Amino acid sequence: EAGVTQSPTHLIKTRGQQATLRCSPISGHTSVYWYQQALGLGLQFLLWYDEGEERNRGNFPPRFSGRQFPNYSSELNVNALELEDSALYLCASSLGQRATNEKLFFGSGTQLSVL
Amino acid sequence: GDSVTQMEGPVTLSEEAFLTINCTYTATGYPSLFWYVQYPGEGLQLLLKATKADDKGSNKGFEATYRKETTSFHLEKGSVQVSDSAVYFCALRRSDSWGKLQFGAGTQVVVTP
Repeated sequence: EAGVTQSPTHLIKTRGQQATLRCSPISGHTSVYWYQQALGLGLQFLLWYDEGEERNRGNFPPRFSGRQFPNYSSELNVNALELEDSALYLCASSLGQRATNEKLFFGSGTQLSVL
Repeated sequence: GDSVTQMEGPVTLSEEAFLTINCTYTATGYPSLFWYVQYPGEGLQLLLKATKADDKGSNKGFEATYRKETTSFHLEKGSVQVSDSAVYFCALRRSDSWGKLQFGAGTQVVVTP
């Protein structure tokens, strides 16, 4: 069974550009989570989608946005990129809030570099 | 706000040594507590968890006990192997904030033969 897959693996952008990161959850999972892992800051919660809707949001500016598609895959969009957006972006999936098992499964991440 | 503090790394030790990684937390109510592990080149994996006070989570020889009185969830392993070299993350999730894990900064562990 395939795990959580993220694309691209690496992404290089310049300041002011937009970045789009993609995530495919494990088959059967309806929840997708996005985390930012910046050097020295650890993992910061960005967004949670379940059943196509945004359920929770971390303390990030509105230029970080996303969506979840009917097949439960998800996109994270970062507009007006800033140098400090350079980080590893991790996606995770789970069975969703209706499940008693809250275990998250993480992908290997997209390394975003803003020059 | 909620926070998780774990000891800074890297922690370097020899094979078969005893490992302890300290983790303390600040949160209202009774959060669930987790340890995640990130092996080189791989995504984070859940190592163990505990959902209420005095619960002990265990997996792959690792253990951690939820201590409400000291707000701690220290990770221990009695005899580490080279394959345990990884970054370990302590995390909490509040019961009223499903889906949002609050992570510590991570502790890198390096086990030498």
